[in-house]
Amino acid sequence: NAGVTQTPKFRVLKTGQSMTLLCAQDMNHEYMYWYRQDPGMGLRLIHYSVGEGTTAKGEVPDGYNVSRLKKQNFLLGLESAAPSQTSVYFCASTRDRVNTEAFFGQGTRLTVV
Amino acid sequence: AQKITQTQPGMFVQEKEAVTLDCTYDTSDPSYGLFWYKQPSSGEMIFLIYQGSYDQQNATEGRYSLNFQKARKSANLVISASQLGDSAMYFCAMREYGNNRLAFGKGNQVVVIP
Repeated sequence: NAGVTQTPKFRVLKTGQSMTLLCAQDMNHEYMYWYRQDPGMGLRLIHYSVGEGTTAKGEVPDGYNVSRLKKQNFLLGLESAAPSQTSVYFCASTRDRVNTEAFFGQGTRLTVV
Repeated sequence: AQKITQTQPGMFVQEKEAVTLDCTYDTSDPSYGLFWYKQPSSGEMIFLIYQGSYDQQNATEGRYSLNFQKARKSANLVISASQLGDSAMYFCAMREYGNNRLAFGKGNQVVVIP
């Protein structure tokens, strides 16, 4: 049982380059989330999705786009990477009940130089 | 907008002692869930405990208990009989029923010393 899988685990980008982070879950979860984690800032919500074909902005959405074309996948895109987007990115998924915990991927460490 | 506050500085706790991690929250949604997660130095996020806004009793899971004071909007985590493996960052989180956003606090660093 894979749970939540993030691809890639590490990446170095040059400023201005684009990339897509993939989050895949095999638990048939309705809700999926993308966070970034920076020292002293906790996990900040970038975008989230409450179902296939839906997305919504979180706390820090600028510079990122997302898509949820399939229920099991949630993609996070950086169109033009900036050094300020250097961070560890986490994806999470959860069932459609408020009393259920979220399951997290292992994280993606992204460095923009 | 929902808000979760964890303001304690890094904490050192003696092995076998109890430690309390503070978490306050703010929401206008009457229905919500509160969660605590542990993040060890290896980086993975580990779910510890859940408390629902309508739960009458405080949640407990093994050595973890949640001191839920709804009127004060407080959801403190208590770890009893600390172990060296409890050294980690601990995050408080809240999920509102209305929009299902899952928001996190900034975390509390705990170091257990022998």
